[in-house]
Amino acid sequence: DAGVIQSPRHEVTEMGQEVTLRCKPISGHDYLFWYRQTMMRGLELLIYFNNNVPIDDSGMPEDRFSAKMPNASFSTLKIQPSEPRDSAVYFCASSSYGGGLYGYTFGSGTRLTVV
Amino acid sequence: ELKVEQNPLFLSMQEGKNYTIYCNYSTTSDRLYWYRQDPGKSLESLFVLLSNGAVKQEGRLMASLDTKARLSTLHITAAVHDLSATYFCAAPHGTSYDKVIFGPGTSLSVIP
Repeated sequence: DAGVIQSPRHEVTEMGQEVTLRCKPISGHDYLFWYRQTMMRGLELLIYFNNNVPIDDSGMPEDRFSAKMPNASFSTLKIQPSEPRDSAVYFCASSSYGGGLYGYTFGSGTRLTVV
Repeated sequence: ELKVEQNPLFLSMQEGKNYTIYCNYSTTSDRLYWYRQDPGKSLESLFVLLSNGAVKQEGRLMASLDTKARLSTLHITAAVHDLSATYFCAAPHGTSYDKVIFGPGTSLSVIP
């Protein structure tokens, strides 16, 4: 298995633009998580899905953020409009059994810079 | 609300020395996770501790869990430079185990 695949690896955008981050989980994993990592706030859980259904989005910072999982092999995290404070590394992770018996498998992350 | 704390946050140690990283969490949980992150890289699962008293070892790293004390430790034996990384512990939020909250991380630097 190729692991959790995220794209793009790096994204630089101007303030006010729409940004879409993409994630392909490991086949057979029924949980998908979006995390944001910054120096100031560490790793924050934004939202997670179980069987493509959003279960907890309480970590989504505000209405500018939205996430979808239209099928078991694809998820997006969208920021519209983007702001400089959204600059961070965004990780997608997947697992079976939730937090699980085996832990999460993380993707390589997307480093987002909003200027 | 669950809080996960780590101590120390920064650790510089010489090769060959031993040290322990501590992870405290604020609510009852019977499992605990450890992850490693190399600079500029993703997170890698190191240990999954599933019960009170659980102990797991991989090479020079050994993790243990005391659920009564709400404490997990990551012990480093005879450190080598390759162990330089940031180590995160994480605990489940609630009883469903779905949602995991990460600690702030311990940045470890092993000096030759």
